[in-house]
Amino acid sequence: KNEVEQSPQNLTAQEGEFITINCSYSVGISALHWLQQHPGGGIVSLFMLSSGKKKHGRLIATINIQEKHSSLHITASHPRDSAVYICAVISGSARQLTFGSGTQLTVLP
Amino acid sequence: DTGVSQNPRHKITKRGQNVTFRCDPISEHNRLYWYRQTLGQGPEFLTYFQNEAQLEKSRLLSDRFSAERPKGSFSTLEIQRTEQGDSAMYLCASSFLDSPLHFGNGTRLTVT
Repeated sequence: KNEVEQSPQNLTAQEGEFITINCSYSVGISALHWLQQHPGGGIVSLFMLSSGKKKHGRLIATINIQEKHSSLHITASHPRDSAVYICAVISGSARQLTFGSGTQLTVLP
Repeated sequence: DTGVSQNPRHKITKRGQNVTFRCDPISEHNRLYWYRQTLGQGPEFLTYFQNEAQLEKSRLLSDRFSAERPKGSFSTLEIQRTEQGDSAMYLCASSFLDSPLHFGNGTRLTVT
């Protein structure tokens, strides 16, 4: 079993829909990243959070440390949101990230 | 601040050849990470530096792989005697201590 599990693996939505991507992890963590990866490889860090909730524009990230679960929400989705969204956790003393396998989001106009 | 820069963007090499990639982190960032990503998978940790010291290496990093960060600024990742299984996207990221990571656009390696 992977230490970081994401669901769904693939998600297709219509423009304007509310989107939720889930991440569950099995290890103790100090923080969790939500990352966005566009075709061609570039990765952008959207959020780093260790508790509660963060909001940036149409993006909202929440984390429940007790349940070892995080969600990324996109409100009023747009085709430019189409990308791979990756959850990654920081655990242990290595200061390294353990990544989920990503969620491919496609938003149709 | 021009972000994290990786060169080259693409590298095609024949099996058995050596390749070297370079990463220039954001200038004030003291931590630098290397990851490898294969198609359809999330990135996997390879190694990380704090300043010039290599503090952690994944067991994925076989003895054909070596990374350096000689002056605590840019880093190089060398793969000797490349194999087809080395084909992947090699990603570099940097941070200042535990601040959020900034990723480069990666170097895509194809071993034929």
